[in-house]
Amino acid sequence: ELKVEQNPLFLSMQEGKNYTIYCNYSTTSDRLYWYRQDPGKSLESLFVLLSNGAVKQEGRLMASLDTKARLSTLHITAAVHDLSATYFCAVAGGGGSQGNLIFGKGTKLSVKP
Amino acid sequence: EPEVTQTPSHQVTQMGQEVILRCVPISNHLYFYWYRQILGQKVEFLVSFYNNEISEKSEIFDDQFSVERPDGSNFTLKIRSTKLEDSAMYFCASSGQGTMNTEAFFGQGTRLTVV
Repeated sequence: ELKVEQNPLFLSMQEGKNYTIYCNYSTTSDRLYWYRQDPGKSLESLFVLLSNGAVKQEGRLMASLDTKARLSTLHITAAVHDLSATYFCAVAGGGGSQGNLIFGKGTKLSVKP
Repeated sequence: EPEVTQTPSHQVTQMGQEVILRCVPISNHLYFYWYRQILGQKVEFLVSFYNNEISEKSEIFDDQFSVERPDGSNFTLKIRSTKLEDSAMYFCASSGQGTMNTEAFFGQGTRLTVV
């Protein structure tokens, strides 16, 4: 059974600081996703990582994937208040379906001035 | 930009009643999904649907749940006899345009409150 673990679950940062969120998963998968969720809102796709060593960057966020270690990281550079949200990683559960995603519990990020 | 749309945005129902949640996936997508998120918890996979049949379902998706694609555009989730613990945000998602590695796009969700 595929399990996805994120840490930390809660993260309080000051603006301008850097931090990394970690996502570990238990079995082989060929796709890993990062989503952002604002309170009461839907899931916004941030990154899709498809291969070992994949690195993607968008603004102050950078995601990477190490399939051998079954680890993905989401690095936040020089955090700003607008990044406050919950971040989920999700791993493809396999099978024939492309969207059977197993989500981590999420990391609730709070960026304070 | 194409998007997944869900209706209603909020539904309140009495325990034991049937509810139908509606979704219009992105046009030309081939795979459709329902997920749920109990308040403050993680997102959980319920079911995937492809080629007019269920392709995968989780253990949450028991006999009280059913899905249907009644026409070429809508995708529905029916809960036959709602329970208090069915209260959650339900997200519809769609993916796939004939390729194997496309991401799932999520709708805005329907907040279901069972009283």
